[in-house]
Amino acid sequence: GAVVSQHPSWVICKSGTSVKIECRSLDFQATTMFWYRQFPKQSLMLMATSNEGSKATYEQGVEKDKFLINHASLTLSTLTVTSAHPEDSSFYICSARELDLHTDTQYFGPGTRLTVL
Amino acid sequence: AQTVTQSQPEMSVQEAETVTLSCTYDTSESNYYLFWYKQPPSRQMILVIRQEAYKQQNATENRFSVNFQKAAKSFSLKISDSQLGDTAMYFCAFWFQGGSEKLVFGKGTKLTVNP
Repeated sequence: GAVVSQHPSWVICKSGTSVKIECRSLDFQATTMFWYRQFPKQSLMLMATSNEGSKATYEQGVEKDKFLINHASLTLSTLTVTSAHPEDSSFYICSARELDLHTDTQYFGPGTRLTVL
Repeated sequence: AQTVTQSQPEMSVQEAETVTLSCTYDTSESNYYLFWYKQPPSRQMILVIRQEAYKQQNATENRFSVNFQKAAKSFSLKISDSQLGDTAMYFCAFWFQGGSEKLVFGKGTKLTVNP
């Protein structure tokens, strides 16, 4: 099956620093990747849609200068949280879309827990 | 805009019994996909089952099956022979081609399987 990895799985950083999270599709090519944020006991909130070779599309209310997304290849997208603050602490999940003739399914990475001190 | 509603925030079931999770959605599209994802305590989102709207036959994956009622815009998940490992949050999701490409999620149902 389609596998998506995320790195790191858990990161703690100081306020004001930047953190980069990587999302990789391991056994398929993903022209589109998605970044979500999930608060405890809540559903996933889409932050942005990332297409390979083009600028990411951000959801309303998401600061594009704070959450930098790069999708440089068909298997890798990165999310950089710049000048992190405690309110950015959350669980971040990426997904990658696999296309085939009959269906279109998103496969999810295991998530990254970010704690900003 | 498409919406997905899961009206059961929490449910519980005894091991080996059957449980049904409800999901309704609202859309004016005719060709779309519906999904059930499972998020266990590890928080890894796992695809449980998917259904193409153009298919009348209900999807089945081992102990998991759906009751897809297109006219009623209903997409329930039935888990047979519940196992302790089925304890998780379950999210219903909607997607259609030609739209914004976003998965629209419901708020989730927390399922607990009791021994």
